[in-house]
Amino acid sequence: AQSVSQHNHHVILSEAASLELGCNYSYGGTVNLFWYVQYPGQHLQLLLKYFSGDPLVKGIKGFEAEFIKSKFSFNLRKPSVQWSDTAEYFCAVTTNAGKSTFGDGTTLTVKP
Amino acid sequence: DVKVTQSSRYLVKRTGEKVFLECVQDMDHENMFWYRQDPGLGLRLIYFSYDVKMKEKGDIPEGYSVSREKKERFSLILESASTNQTSMYLCASSWAYRGMNTEAFFGQGTRLTVV
Repeated sequence: AQSVSQHNHHVILSEAASLELGCNYSYGGTVNLFWYVQYPGQHLQLLLKYFSGDPLVKGIKGFEAEFIKSKFSFNLRKPSVQWSDTAEYFCAVTTNAGKSTFGDGTTLTVKP
Repeated sequence: DVKVTQSSRYLVKRTGEKVFLECVQDMDHENMFWYRQDPGLGLRLIYFSYDVKMKEKGDIPEGYSVSREKKERFSLILESASTNQTSMYLCASSWAYRGMNTEAFFGQGTRLTVV
């Protein structure tokens, strides 16, 4: 069965610090990979996605993620975080088995 | 813009009641999903549907059932609500592309409290 593991449950950073959130998945076949964000009081929304092609993908608000197939990883990065990035971040994978699986989420708190 | 609408933002129900959570999407998506979101546990898939009248069990289907009579509507049913079903319930929909789900669009969620 597919699974997704996010390494950090809670990350606290100061503004302008760099961010990297780890995500690993387990599935031997073709996958689509996603990062979603949930700002306080808002619904989940897509941050970025990878289907195929260039393994470095760029999303909204300056976020990017790199797919490393050999490591089954899809880590999220941002060079300089802002207070408004405070949110919960979820990594997700979909497979040709039809299911979508989410990680447990990482809560990011950015101190002004 | 894709819109996924859940019928209620907040619900309070009594133990043993039958509970219906409704979800409607307006983008003709093939796939629809029900998740529950609990602190520290992320999103856990309850059921999903890839076509009208089709349904598949997710990771935690026990105590739930679903109905999809029309493409745009996906209902989650708690046959006999229990306190451990107190949670945030999220509905989502997506297209399918080459047999795989594309990104999901989520509703605002229904916070259900069972007392």
